[in-house]
Amino acid sequence: AQSVTQPDIHITVSEGASLELRCNYSYGATPYLFWYVQSPGQGLQLLLKYFSGDTLVQGIKGFEAEFKRSQSSFNLRKPSVHWSDAAEYFCAVGAGSGGGADGLTFGKGTHLIIQP
Amino acid sequence: ETGVTQTPRHLVMGMTNKKSLKCEQHLGHNAMYWYKQSAKKPLELMFVYSLEERVENNSVPSRFSPECPNSSHLFLHLHTLQPEDSALYLCASSLLRGYYEQYFGPGTRLTVT
Repeated sequence: AQSVTQPDIHITVSEGASLELRCNYSYGATPYLFWYVQSPGQGLQLLLKYFSGDTLVQGIKGFEAEFKRSQSSFNLRKPSVHWSDAAEYFCAVGAGSGGGADGLTFGKGTHLIIQP
Repeated sequence: ETGVTQTPRHLVMGMTNKKSLKCEQHLGHNAMYWYKQSAKKPLELMFVYSLEERVENNSVPSRFSPECPNSSHLFLHLHTLQPEDSALYLCASSLLRGYYEQYFGPGTRLTVT
């Protein structure tokens, strides 16, 4: 079964500084990878996705992520964070039909705090 | 309305009540999902529907009963819940079941007293 690990429960970053959120996955075949963001009291918003092709993917709100097969990682980055980026961030892997669950398997999330 | 909507946004119910959560997607998708989000735990997939047929039930207790009358609507019927069922219940949809990206509603915050 697939699994996702987000090793950082909380991360604090100063406004304007760069950001990297870590995500490691476990899956036997080529994974389908996603990053979602959740603001308090809200649902999850898709930031970006990786299905195949270029390993550096661009998303909304200035975020990007890089798929590294050798490290089983899909880290999320942003060159300069804004106070509005404070939220919970979830990495997820999708197995695809026939590969088990048709839903997504999520990590436990990383809570991002922005310092002024 | 656009995207995925859920009603009610907040629900407080006693352990002997019966209530229903509603989800509607306006995206023309064919697959819909129920997830449970509890504090300190990852999101848990509860049910998957594809073209109105249930394709997965991840060992969810029978006090949760889903219904998908058409590809745009999904319900979660609740009865005799336990306090540990208090959580945020999220509905999602995707174009097709499987690995396609899923779009989430805002959730229903359920409190069982």
